[in-house]
Amino acid sequence: GESVGLHLPTLSVQEGDNSIINCAYSNSASDYFIWYKQESGKGPQFIIDIRSNMDKRQGQRVTVLLNKTVKHLSLQIAATQPGDSAVYFCAENRDNAGNMLTFGGGTRLMVKP
Amino acid sequence: DSGVTQTPKHLITATGQRVTLRCSPRSGDLSVYWYQQSLDQGLQFLIQYYNGEERAKGNILERFSAQQFPDLHSELNLSSLELGDSALYFCASSVAPGYEQYFGPGTRLTVT
Repeated sequence: GESVGLHLPTLSVQEGDNSIINCAYSNSASDYFIWYKQESGKGPQFIIDIRSNMDKRQGQRVTVLLNKTVKHLSLQIAATQPGDSAVYFCAENRDNAGNMLTFGGGTRLMVKP
Repeated sequence: DSGVTQTPKHLITATGQRVTLRCSPRSGDLSVYWYQQSLDQGLQFLIQYYNGEERAKGNILERFSAQQFPDLHSELNLSSLELGDSALYFCASSVAPGYEQYFGPGTRLTVT
């Protein structure tokens, strides 16, 4: 069935480098996408979202890129810090009413000092 | 701190039992969502309420039910518990459907 997935289960980066976490989605009807960060023992924390009428959105040190042609979503973290170490999930809204988010399997980001 | 509160933080119970998980949304949020996170299934949407009414259902078992009360807090009831129900249960809230969802700290349920 259709699903949201991730290319890399674990990403290891050096402190100060930029990180890129990728996500593929398969439902072309999805129109809202969100990135969440989950630290050990905590609930998912909203990072940034993007709607399908945009291809790029920037936050503080984070940028989300949406490529609808190839159904690909990415999260870029600039100047990665040890506090960025966590599992990152992409999620898509499939029902056009914001009622149901479908989550990907997650990517673990490890930041080396 | 997201502003969403969940109780209890941990729950250990036996198979066949029934438990109730409680969630208080962020102030001003009318929509509440329940998710289950297990190692083999990841984060799965269970059910959503908006201003007291059920709005969407995901992969929620018939043994599970939920409701949202007039004060907007929500409860998730899990009955006839099985070992496979052991998981983290998260509540999230948003001001309305279609807006960003903020997650609570979760309830860790262990069924023995």
